[in-house]
Amino acid sequence: EADIYQTPRYLVIGTGKKITLECSQTMGHDKMYWYQQDPGMELHLIHYSYGVNSTEKGDLSSESTVSRIRTEHFPLTLESARPSHTSQYLCASSEFTGGAETQYFGPGTRLLVL
Amino acid sequence: SQQGEEDPQALSIQEGENATMNCSYKTSINNLQWYRQNSGRGLVHLILIRSNEREKHSGRLRVTLDTSKKSSSLLITASRAADTASYFCATDAGFQKLVFGTGTRLLVSP
Repeated sequence: EADIYQTPRYLVIGTGKKITLECSQTMGHDKMYWYQQDPGMELHLIHYSYGVNSTEKGDLSSESTVSRIRTEHFPLTLESARPSHTSQYLCASSEFTGGAETQYFGPGTRLLVL
Repeated sequence: SQQGEEDPQALSIQEGENATMNCSYKTSINNLQWYRQNSGRGLVHLILIRSNEREKHSGRLRVTLDTSKKSSSLLITASRAADTASYFCATDAGFQKLVFGTGTRLLVSP
């Protein structure tokens, strides 16, 4: 079991609300990621970070923002939630071993915007 | 577009049977990895095969890689109901991020 945590696990919220999805890892990994995934479907990379004070946009355009003030913490914020944001959000961190990157995933946050 | 495409999209088998799923990709890679995702959970790393390897085993898992065809297969032998999950391939093309495939949903019935 990977030491990467996401809260909340489930969130039901009304349109227009500001939300922050938390992600933390205790493995000391520099690289972290946020993916958006509809149930049973492919993963879409929305943000990633190489380390503290580094944030990059992923392949899928997203209205969310991220910050990386501490190595272990990579929160994702939606300023104004909309029904189109309903999805599962997966956080991951990665390590390099023998020249290869392996990702470790949190359990995910299921978001429903009404 | 996604680097990896998997087939079949869904597979339903009985316990004890073998399950084979395939992944095709588009560009040269450094390595290819397989991940499992149980319903409503995050992904878990299963196995990694490097571009200079052709076959790799881990327990009941066997992975093959054919770089000339840009394809990989994951074989799960003697499947169990607990193997029911979605399986994703992920390619590392050296651009400092993994690219995940579209996934195969495996259902193993008792």
